[in-house]
Amino acid sequence: KQEVTQIPAALSVPEGENLVLNCSFTDSAIYNLQWFRQDPGKGLTSLLLIQSSQREQTSGRLNASLDKSSGRSTLYIAASQPGDSATYLCAVSLGSGGGADGLTFGKGTHLIIQP
Amino acid sequence: DAGVTQSPTHLIKTRGQQVTLRCSPKSGHDTVSWYQQALGQGPQFIFQYYEEEERQRGNFPDRFSGHQFPNYSSELNVNALLLGDSALYLCASSLLWAGDSGNTIYFGEGSWLTVV
Repeated sequence: KQEVTQIPAALSVPEGENLVLNCSFTDSAIYNLQWFRQDPGKGLTSLLLIQSSQREQTSGRLNASLDKSSGRSTLYIAASQPGDSATYLCAVSLGSGGGADGLTFGKGTHLIIQP
Repeated sequence: DAGVTQSPTHLIKTRGQQVTLRCSPKSGHDTVSWYQQALGQGPQFIFQYYEEEERQRGNFPDRFSGHQFPNYSSELNVNALLLGDSALYLCASSLLWAGDSGNTIYFGEGSWLTVV
């Protein structure tokens, strides 16, 4: 059974700092890995998707890396801003070979950026 | 372009009752998935529908059932509600096969269910 763990569970840093969120998964046979953002009481917004054959993806101040063999991914946020405050969730596909399989999520990292 | 829409946004039910939640996927998407998110937890995959059939299912009892209509919209039904079913229910839509561009998944805002 695939299990996804995110460290740290919570993080509070001053504005402007660069930070790294970590995600690990137990079964390396994934189809893809995605990072999502969730604001309180809201749905999820996809930030970055990394296919299993890729090593990293970048979008603006966000960079996500994937080391499939070791079962790890990191989300790097550069020059953090108060608007980045949210819960960040890592999810891997069930990897049955389909293109849109159900996802297994971690519990998330609750991030607070202090002005 | 409307994204994923869910209804109702909030509802309160009594133990033992039944509930139906509804979802309209993003325009152009053919696959709908449902997730349950308890407070402080990550979403848990319930099941996925494609071409009006249940394609995949997570570790949820048969009290959880669903349906997909020809226009790709979907319903989640939960029978014999338990207190532990209180959660945010999220609907997600995607294309089953998106090719090299990958399968970005779009989530709705969710339906908050409270069972008392």
